[in-house]
Amino acid sequence: DAGVIQSPRHEVTEMGQEVTLRCKPISGHNSLFWYRQTMMRGLELLIYFNNNVPIDDSGMPEDRFSAKMPNASFSTLKIQPSEPRDSAVYFCASSWDWSTEAFFGQGTRLTVV
Amino acid sequence: AQSVTQPDIHITVSEGASLELRCNYSYGATPYLFWYVQSPGQGLQLLLKYFSGDTLVQGIKGFEAEFKRSQSSFNLRKPSVHWSDAAEYFCAVGAQNQAGTALIFGKGTTLSVSS
Repeated sequence: DAGVIQSPRHEVTEMGQEVTLRCKPISGHNSLFWYRQTMMRGLELLIYFNNNVPIDDSGMPEDRFSAKMPNASFSTLKIQPSEPRDSAVYFCASSWDWSTEAFFGQGTRLTVV
Repeated sequence: AQSVTQPDIHITVSEGASLELRCNYSYGATPYLFWYVQSPGQGLQLLLKYFSGDTLVQGIKGFEAEFKRSQSSFNLRKPSVHWSDAAEYFCAVGAQNQAGTALIFGKGTTLSVSS
């Protein structure tokens, strides 16, 4: 398996534009997590899914952020409209179960100018 | 609420010297504890984890960690540091709430290795 695949690796966009980040989890994994990493706040859990169902989205900063998991092999994180303070590295991770090892993708570095 | 504290933001260790990275957690029940490492521009890789049993846990790359319930700590150690160990290290707790469970991370400790 190629591991957790995120795309794009880098994204530069203008304030106000819509941004969509994509994630393909490891096949067979039941849980999927979206994290945001910044210098100031470290790694923050945004949302996680279990069996494609959102379990906890309390970490989603505001209504501009939304996440979907239409099937077991694909998830998206959308920001609309984007703002400069959204600039961060966004990680997707998947695991067989929340209590087992979470495998991380290489992240998407988002810059909003 | 569940939380993880890594008191040291940045540590510098000489190559060959021993290392200890501190981690304290706040969690009401028996925690599931993890240490991850992140190299520059990369995702996170699991070093080791503690669920139950022996409180001294062995991991990859020669790392170990000891769970001390009385101190709410899960410190990471390595007897002899190599230059390739320079990275950022994250402690995490598997936290459960009404909605479910997920990993909560500390803010990380950056390790620099001097020659």
